[in-house]
Amino acid sequence: DGGITQSPKYLFRKEGQNVTLSCEQNLNHDAMYWYRQDPGQGLRLIYYSQIVNDFQKGDIAEGYSVSREKKESFPLTVTSAQKNPTAFYLCASSGGARGLVTNEKLFFGSGTQLSVL
Amino acid sequence: AQKITQTQPGMFVQEKEAVTLDCTYDTSDPSYGLFWYKQPSSGEMIFLIYQGSYDQQNATEGRYSLNFQKARKSANLVISASQLGDSAMYFCAMRDDTDSWGKLQFGAGTQVVVTP
Repeated sequence: DGGITQSPKYLFRKEGQNVTLSCEQNLNHDAMYWYRQDPGQGLRLIYYSQIVNDFQKGDIAEGYSVSREKKESFPLTVTSAQKNPTAFYLCASSGGARGLVTNEKLFFGSGTQLSVL
Repeated sequence: AQKITQTQPGMFVQEKEAVTLDCTYDTSDPSYGLFWYKQPSSGEMIFLIYQGSYDQQNATEGRYSLNFQKARKSANLVISASQLGDSAMYFCAMRDDTDSWGKLQFGAGTQVVVTP
């Protein structure tokens, strides 16, 4: 079945440590996104990518980094510069590249809960 | 600036009753799309329904319908005949053509609890 796989489901970070969240999709989608969700709040966009080897900062990119070396993979690294990393992280994808039509919905993974030790 | 507003942080609804979740949005673009997603306690985001700004009729998908009032910039979700499995967080989201990258912007969500 096609879909988006996020791993791990739970992740713990020690102070000063970088951690990487995995996101893989087999939907052949061009666009991929990373969102952060804090308890009781909506989703905030961290980074997004419309094509391999290209990505853009979202609304809260500070303390995070991404890469898009393959179409199906969009890993997110939470760096030590992110002072408040505890949150639920959701990866998403959609089919369109630039010129996305407005009815293009996002498909989401099941998320990664990141906590600080 | 906040583009999507969901004013109801939480709601209780009895099983088999209908519930309306409010969503207002802000955009100056005539072409936009509105989405509703459901997030159960497990965390995944489930797409429910879509409404385009040029659609003449309100969208419906099974027990979900969207009460689209363009002049008031509102896109309320109506869930008919609520079931216990409808207990979840519900998010309204919008994409407009001012953003060529096609990003979705989400509201803060409404927590729905369905009681027997």
